[in-house]
Amino acid sequence: DSGVTQTPKHLITATGQRVTLRCSPRSGDLSVYWYQQSLDQGLQFLIQYYNGEERAKGNILERFSAQQFPDLHSELNLSSLELGDSALYFCASSPGGSGGNEQFFGPGTRLTVL
Amino acid sequence: DAKTTQPPSMDCAEGRAANLPCNHSTISGNEYVYWYRQIHSQGPQYIIHGLKNNETNEMASLIITEDRKSSTLILPHATLRDTAVYYCIVRPRSGGSNYKLTFGKGTLLTVNP
Repeated sequence: DSGVTQTPKHLITATGQRVTLRCSPRSGDLSVYWYQQSLDQGLQFLIQYYNGEERAKGNILERFSAQQFPDLHSELNLSSLELGDSALYFCASSPGGSGGNEQFFGPGTRLTVL
Repeated sequence: DAKTTQPPSMDCAEGRAANLPCNHSTISGNEYVYWYRQIHSQGPQYIIHGLKNNETNEMASLIITEDRKSSTLILPHATLRDTAVYYCIVRPRSGGSNYKLTFGKGTLLTVNP
């Protein structure tokens, strides 16, 4: 158990819909990362937040957005869903700053778009 | 991030040492070598990291060559539960603003009974 929690575990929805994935980082970790894992693209970095502020962006679509709240939990919002958005979505956390950046991953949310 | 090269797959007998190689010939002086693994569809798990000295923890040992162009992850007594995809990643440990992990295809290690 990494200490990172993600909800829900599974999500099935239809094309065109909007969903929200939630992540709670390990206690004390200030950085949260979101990754997408699909069969054809592998594990890809989407976005990073540090203490409430966006720190880095990867291959995140404009239809996707994220935020980190004052209690440090994070949400990833996916809208206008397409079949190709079906994937595993992982959240990771790390202490950030001088505390090092070993990332600890949650169990993931499996999104299926029908 | 510097790129890494790993064999796509390896087999190992249960109880034997598993030695997973990684080439990172373009590694920069401030970049560390990190190893993660992913057991089928679970979240990636941090294993170990190092800069230039050999490192050991409760999970594994990391051997980095003197020129830092390659490294080997050693699982001393592999078990069936070590069957996973192992990823070698190079990146700065701290400093800068982008701490993302860039995953390649990794090595699928299969531990056989």
